[in-house]
Amino acid sequence: EAGVAQSPRYKIIEKRQSVAFWCNPISGHATLYWYQQILGQGPKLLIQFQNNGVVDDSQLPKDRFSAERLKGVDSTLKIQPAKLEDSAVYLCASSSGQGRYGYTFGSGTRLTVV
Amino acid sequence: GDSVTQMEGPVTLSEEAFLTINCTYTATGYPSLFWYVQYPGEGLQLLLKATKADDKGSNKGFEATYRKETTSFHLEKGSVQVSDSAVYFCARQNQGAQKLVFGQGTRLTINP
Repeated sequence: EAGVAQSPRYKIIEKRQSVAFWCNPISGHATLYWYQQILGQGPKLLIQFQNNGVVDDSQLPKDRFSAERLKGVDSTLKIQPAKLEDSAVYLCASSSGQGRYGYTFGSGTRLTVV
Repeated sequence: GDSVTQMEGPVTLSEEAFLTINCTYTATGYPSLFWYVQYPGEGLQLLLKATKADDKGSNKGFEATYRKETTSFHLEKGSVQVSDSAVYFCARQNQGAQKLVFGQGTRLTINP
């Protein structure tokens, strides 16, 4: 089966600019996650979707970050305006059911804010 | 709150050495436990898992046993290879939840 697709792979922007990341999960996976991985740290959940509804966005900085999952398939994560501390790898993952047996992660988008 | 603590890295070993990467978790509920591996330039891949106490997860020569009495899930391999060089993450998932909580990761380098 095809994996979780993410684009772009790399992005460099200046602070206060906006940026968007795209994710296409594994076909049929109802649950989609966005994680932020800052260099030297473990990934941290930003937002979790079940189909096209938000399950958990408690750690999403809502003043600058937004995400949507239209039609319960693809998802877009946006940052506007970006700050230097947003430099990280943004990982998308998907799972079927409860995800009790692990997720499938995409390769991530590495964002550098200068 | 729920957390996972891994041994500090980086860890550097010679090929065929024995590997242990320590992982402990806070004892809230009965979480499932996972080890993920991240090879250079790639996303995280599930290495192994255990869903209840005394379960042993294993894959590619790696093993980890869910120890409730010590709240630990240490990763071991008897003989490492250069291709095992990667960053290893321990993670927990609470019962009834889908969110993964990760440790900070341990970078492993194996020299020939």
